[in-house]
Amino acid sequence: QKEVEQNSGPLSVPEGAIASLNCTYSDRGSQSFFWYRQYSGKSPELIMSIYSNGDKEDGRFTAQLNKASQYVSLLIRDSQPSDSATYLCAVKTNTGNQFYFGTGTSLTVIP
Amino acid sequence: KAGVTQTPRYLIKTRGQQVTLSCSPISGHRSVSWYQQTPGQGLQFLFEYFSETQRNKGNFPGRFSGRQFSNSRSEMNVSTLELGDSALYLCASSPRTGGFNEQYFGPGTRLTVT
Repeated sequence: QKEVEQNSGPLSVPEGAIASLNCTYSDRGSQSFFWYRQYSGKSPELIMSIYSNGDKEDGRFTAQLNKASQYVSLLIRDSQPSDSATYLCAVKTNTGNQFYFGTGTSLTVIP
Repeated sequence: KAGVTQTPRYLIKTRGQQVTLSCSPISGHRSVSWYQQTPGQGLQFLFEYFSETQRNKGNFPGRFSGRQFSNSRSEMNVSTLELGDSALYLCASSPRTGGFNEQYFGPGTRLTVT
């Protein structure tokens, strides 16, 4: 059973603060890691992908990967009310395209 | 580039009926995956098609089936609908299968079974 675990939240942060979202996975064969954002009633939108240990930055978003600890995180700097959404962590091996998703963390940014 | 499109966007069916959902991937993408999303179970993988062949299948009953056409468009069929099939059905496309590969979702089809 390949599992992806996320804290379901809800996570609330004030506007301008850093939001930290965490995810652990069970399959050591996982090679690709993704963060998706899903607004209520909408489909998931890809924010970040990360494939190597360390940090990857894209604007206000930083993904962090630690394969030894089987841990991936997403930091959102200068959080905005428009960042309020559910954030889904996904992992996959390099065989096929079966993505395994966590149940998501609900983030609310308070103005 | 146009994104992933899905039709219809909303559907209401009765128990026992069957339904067909359609997905057109991003131009140039050859892999199409289908997911079911429900509040209780989250995103569950149904199957993946690449070059008209099913490559992976999730843990769903045989009532759920799919196919892919030579232009990479895909359809998903659910027969003998049950109340529990009410969900958001999402299609996702990727340039290829396997490897370091991103997946992009369509807007989904909201299926309600009464």
